[in-house]
Amino acid sequence: KQEVTQIPAALSVPEGENLVLNCSFTDSAIYNLQWFRQDPGKGLTSLLLIQSSQREQTSGRLNASLDKSSGRSTLYIAASQPGDSATYLCAVITGTYKYIFGTGTRLKVLA
Amino acid sequence: EAQVTQNPRYLITVTGKKLTVTCSQNMNHEYMSWYRQDPGLGLRQIYYSMNVEVTDKGDVPEGYKVSRKEKRNFPLILELPSPNQTSLYFCASSSTSGGDTQYFGPGTRLTVL
Repeated sequence: KQEVTQIPAALSVPEGENLVLNCSFTDSAIYNLQWFRQDPGKGLTSLLLIQSSQREQTSGRLNASLDKSSGRSTLYIAASQPGDSATYLCAVITGTYKYIFGTGTRLKVLA
Repeated sequence: EAQVTQNPRYLITVTGKKLTVTCSQNMNHEYMSWYRQDPGLGLRQIYYSMNVEVTDKGDVPEGYKVSRKEKRNFPLILELPSPNQTSLYFCASSSTSGGDTQYFGPGTRLTVL
């Protein structure tokens, strides 16, 4: 059964730092992988979708990489800002189009 | 405005009283899904639908029903709610199954007493 893990569970950094959030999954036979952001009391907002044939995707200060063979994805945030404070979730999309989420990394960027 | 709407946003009910949470999207999306979010357990998929009249079980389907009679609507039905179904529920949709950005609704906080 596919399991998705995110480490660390929480992270606090000063403004301006570059940081990496990790996502690992146990079954490499995935369809796609998606990163989301969730603000307190709100729904999820999609950040980046990486298709299984891709190695990375970039959007502004965000870069997500995917290594299927090792069961890992990373989300790189450059020059972090207080507005980046949120919970970041990764989700593996299986071949039958199920979404399996990690439990998230709660990020706090200090001004 | 492109959006996923859920109703109600908050609901307190009692064990055994049937309820329906509605979900509607205005983006002509094929894929729709329901999730529940619980502290320490994260977001778990309940049911999903790849198109009208096509639904499939997620990881935690027990105690829930869904239907997809029209493309825009995907209601979640709890026929006999129990306290362990107290949770925050999200509906989401995407243009295709797993290959596109998924848009989430604002959530429904359900308490079953």
